[in-house]
Amino acid sequence: GAGVSQSPSNKVTEKGKDVELRCDPISGHTALYWYRQRLGQGLEFLIYFQGNSAPDKSGLPSDRFSAERTGESVSTLTIQRTQQEDSAVYLCASSLDRGAYNEQFFGPGTRLTVL
Amino acid sequence: RKEVEQDPGPFNVPEGATVAFNCTYSNSASQSFFWYRQDCRKEPKLLMSVYSSGNEDGRFTAQLNRASQYISLLIRDSKLSDSATYLCVVPDADKLIFGTGTRLQVFP
Repeated sequence: GAGVSQSPSNKVTEKGKDVELRCDPISGHTALYWYRQRLGQGLEFLIYFQGNSAPDKSGLPSDRFSAERTGESVSTLTIQRTQQEDSAVYLCASSLDRGAYNEQFFGPGTRLTVL
Repeated sequence: RKEVEQDPGPFNVPEGATVAFNCTYSNSASQSFFWYRQDCRKEPKLLMSVYSSGNEDGRFTAQLNRASQYISLLIRDSKLSDSATYLCVVPDADKLIFGTGTRLQVFP
């Protein structure tokens, strides 16, 4: 079956521009997670959704970052006024249900480069 | 103390060798743990779950020491295809906390 998909796979943008990153989770998975991975670093938790609600936004680095989820399916991560330090791979994962003990399945990520 | 700490490596080992990685965690309330594998420029994938004292799956053995708050991953008879970064992962409420990973390079 289809796994988690993300688009675009690569995005190059200029500093100050807004970007939108999309995640399509596995069908039927109610929980969806966003992570950021800077070059040579571990994964940083950003936000997670249970259904269309975001119980934990604690990892969003600033108010330039926002995310939404609709129809208990697709999620969009928006970064406004991008900065060079936003350059990273943004990974989305989904799991059958909330709770960190459920296996998370990752998408291939969006590689964001801010010039 | 960081929530999850790992030696970044790299560990360079010949094929057939046995190699072990350790990971320490700070949240004593954590009950179960995970090892994820991440190939270069790819997404992480679950390798093993670690419940109670440990878990074994073929050449891979994961062990948990609650008293010392560390988790280990042992790989026996290393293969070239084992070359990857191994991420130690600790649950925290509804989210996962990832270590920075230990890089393994297996050479012929």
